Amino acid sequence: DADVTQTPRNRITKTGKRIMLECSQTKGHDRMYWYRQDPGLGLRLIYYSFDVKDINKGEISDGYSVSRQAQAKFSLSLESAIPNQTALYFCATSDRSGQGAGDTQYFGPGTRLTVL
Amino acid sequence: EDQVTQSPEALRLQEGESSSLNCSYTVSGLRGLFWYRQDPGKGPEFLFTLYSAGEEKEKERLKATLTKKESFLHITAPKPEDSATYLCAVQAAYNTDKLIFGTGTRLQVFP
Repeated sequence: DADVTQTPRNRITKTGKRIMLECSQTKGHDRMYWYRQDPGLGLRLIYYSFDVKDINKGEISDGYSVSRQAQAKFSLSLESAIPNQTALYFCATSDRSGQGAGDTQYFGPGTRLTVL
Repeated sequence: EDQVTQSPEALRLQEGESSSLNCSYTVSGLRGLFWYRQDPGKGPEFLFTLYSAGEEKEKERLKATLTKKESFLHITAPKPEDSATYLCAVQAAYNTDKLIFGTGTRLQVFP
């Protein structure tokens, strides 16, 4: 079974609709992240959370909100979807590996969202 | 401004033709540099983490190296199944919350 799962895998919706993307992980990691990926722009951080009581904005948080329901679950919501939110969305997790070491992030399979 | 630049944007190789991908970075104090492989429509798959200049890591036909300004991903005798986009990311020592990603190198290996 996959360590990081995302639902749905594909979603087509209309402008103005509310959309929720969900992420679950079985890795036991404390940290969870939401990214979007657009052609030519790379991965950009939307929100991240270091535990259930900690939520932080990334570089492109406008138009998005998140909820950390449990250590293993982190949801991303688009309150009123617009066409330029059409993108690939990825959830990632990490666990601080110790003093002096970097934090490797592990990614889910992604959600392809199309806003018409 | 912290930045990661990958080159080339795209690379076509014949099977067995070795080459290297480049990741140049500017960051105030490097905590870690990460390489990922991404297949079309899928999530990035972790390959390597490098922490200090001079460090090298290998996995099958891939070898990653790190200097103070750049990292190379060397691909030896590639096979068609190595075709993918390879992403580089850095983590700054002053801001360990985030990874800064490059836009990737799209590699195609032809039989």
